[in-house]
Amino acid sequence: DAKTTQPPSMDCAEGRAANLPCNHSTISGNEYVYWYRQIHSQGPQYIIHGLKNNETNEMASLIITEDRKSSTLILPHATLRDTAVYYCIGPGGYGGSQGNLIFGKGTKLSVKP
Amino acid sequence: GAGVSQSPRYKVAKRGQDVALRCDPISGHVSLFWYQQALGQGPEFLTYFQNEAQLDKSGLPSDRFFAERPEGSVSTLKIQRTQQEDSAVYLCASSLRPGGLRTEAFFGQGTRLTVV
Repeated sequence: DAKTTQPPSMDCAEGRAANLPCNHSTISGNEYVYWYRQIHSQGPQYIIHGLKNNETNEMASLIITEDRKSSTLILPHATLRDTAVYYCIGPGGYGGSQGNLIFGKGTKLSVKP
Repeated sequence: GAGVSQSPRYKVAKRGQDVALRCDPISGHVSLFWYQQALGQGPEFLTYFQNEAQLDKSGLPSDRFFAERPEGSVSTLKIQRTQQEDSAVYLCASSLRPGGLRTEAFFGQGTRLTVV
């Protein structure tokens, strides 16, 4: 199993920031943290990844703690379309010989009007 | 097209029937993955191709499952003698670089297989 811990579900009001936490206490120095999300009836969608510096793109920001044992995905202005299951993939999150993703159960984010 | 395309989107099979699921990855993408997603669960890895070579099939649940990518582009996942427990969404993903999904991966919308 992926060695990440996420809350099973979270609610967020539309227009507010959604902060999704992930614990990855066994991360090593060269392991990235990846975030994907899966909207109902669609395939997973890449969001962002990072190593140790905070990262931002057009979808989200990723804040990684200095000790790298946890991170937070931030959706700055959540919309109803951001309702999805969010997967944090980190150490132990790659299996097999080719680094296939191990998804875990993720956090179901519900954005409410 | 611009994304990963899977067909059919929905497939209903009678128990014991053989099915074939198709994946068209993004042009030029070296890596191709198949995942199986049961209802309410996260996707689970089935198999991986680097170009036409199947480098990892450790996730295939039984010898009834077979995948191929003969020319290094389109891939087909075949399930023989389908069983009810095979009912799931089958997802295909591709990425530009070899060596796995340690980079941005693009997923198709999946094929929902229902075995009755």
